[in-house]
Amino acid sequence: ETGVTQTPRHLVMGMTNKKSLKCEQHLGHNAMYWYKQSAKKPLELMFVYNFKEQTENNSVPSRFSPECPNSSHLFLHLHTLQPEDSALYLCASSQADGRSNSPLHFGNGTRLTVT
Amino acid sequence: GENVEQHPSTLSVQEGDSAVIKCTYSDSASNYFPWYKQELGKRPQLIIDIRSNVGEKKDQRIAVTLNKTAKHFSLHITETQPEDSAVYFCAVGGSQGNLIFGKGTKLSVKP
Repeated sequence: ETGVTQTPRHLVMGMTNKKSLKCEQHLGHNAMYWYKQSAKKPLELMFVYNFKEQTENNSVPSRFSPECPNSSHLFLHLHTLQPEDSALYLCASSQADGRSNSPLHFGNGTRLTVT
Repeated sequence: GENVEQHPSTLSVQEGDSAVIKCTYSDSASNYFPWYKQELGKRPQLIIDIRSNVGEKKDQRIAVTLNKTAKHFSLHITETQPEDSAVYFCAVGGSQGNLIFGKGTKLSVKP
């Protein structure tokens, strides 16, 4: 049990599909994140939510739409994706106090393939 | 924004030898420097972290050193074992609590 659960583990979708990735954290944290991990690239921060408020959108295309209904759940809605969006999407959580950083706890990720 | 450079991209060592991975960063205000280990097909996991008020931290066979003046920090693994084989990522703490990651180092420990 990782404390951060992501579903589905694998997803194959066509470019015209709409799908959603789900993340749930059981650690009592107040911040949640979406990261994209592509081959031979660093982990790319996509979105940050602190206390359910989005505090960072790292110039992510609008075909990715996050939703954070409460501090335990985070979604990433996908619409009309491109093949280059194929990657491992990692959710993470942390306990942010606004003054200092704290460790991120990652989920196992969703391996997304866009055909 | 913050820029994190990590070297080398691949590292191969013999079991029992030491391994050193280095990272540099650009924002002098950064104050949190964790290291993550990601085994094949698994999630990144924190192995050690250091904050800007200390220069070195050790946990058994792993240690991290920080030079704030030069804006670089390093991961040291001693007495390497085959199970240390993985991709290691350095990261730097940003202003919003998010982390900016290096590109990763694939460490292979040969028995």
